[in-house]
Amino acid sequence: AQSVAQPEDQVKVAEGNPLTVKCTYSVSGNPYLFWYVQYPNRGLQFLLKYITGDNLVKGSYGFEAEFNKSQTSFHLKKPSALVSDSALYFCAVSGSGAGSYQLTFGKGTKLSVIP
Amino acid sequence: SQTIHQWPATLVQPVGSPLSLECTVEGTSNPNLYWYRQAAGRGLQLLFYSVGIGQISSEVPQNLSASRPQDRQFILSSKKLLLSDSGFYLCAWRWGTTYNSPLHFGNGTRLTVT
Repeated sequence: AQSVAQPEDQVKVAEGNPLTVKCTYSVSGNPYLFWYVQYPNRGLQFLLKYITGDNLVKGSYGFEAEFNKSQTSFHLKKPSALVSDSALYFCAVSGSGAGSYQLTFGKGTKLSVIP
Repeated sequence: SQTIHQWPATLVQPVGSPLSLECTVEGTSNPNLYWYRQAAGRGLQLLFYSVGIGQISSEVPQNLSASRPQDRQFILSSKKLLLSDSGFYLCAWRWGTTYNSPLHFGNGTRLTVT
């Protein structure tokens, strides 16, 4: 079975500082990894994905994520946080085997950017 | 481009009443379709997914059901709502042929069972 862990329920950073939201995963075979953002009372928006290739993936709104196979991690990063980045962030994983219809989501990390 | 529509946006229903939430996708064919429930603004629970018309997989036993009467239409139903059915329901789609494609979500339905 595949799983995702987001060890921090909440992350607080000052505006302009770099931010990191952590994610580790467990899956059989090669992982497909995703980050989503959710604003209050809205659906999830896709930010970026890792499929294969370069371990540093760039996505929307200046976000990037670093894939580390040995640590089974896929941390979300941004060099300079904005107040508007405050939201709920979800990491998700999908396996590459047959029947990989499902994305498994972490429990989410609430990011608060302090002005 | 592809769009996903989900309605209604909010719904207040009494215990024991029926439920019907609808989701449609435009601009693609044969998508994989999903229903998730999000409780207390946090984790997502996969309820149902469908890889084709009339093909429904249920992930959790409950008093909810899903149907896919058309290729791009996905319906979540209940005959009798429970208080515990309250939550934020999200419909999503992804390309049906590639497992590395992301899910695309609708804006959700906030259901309150009273």
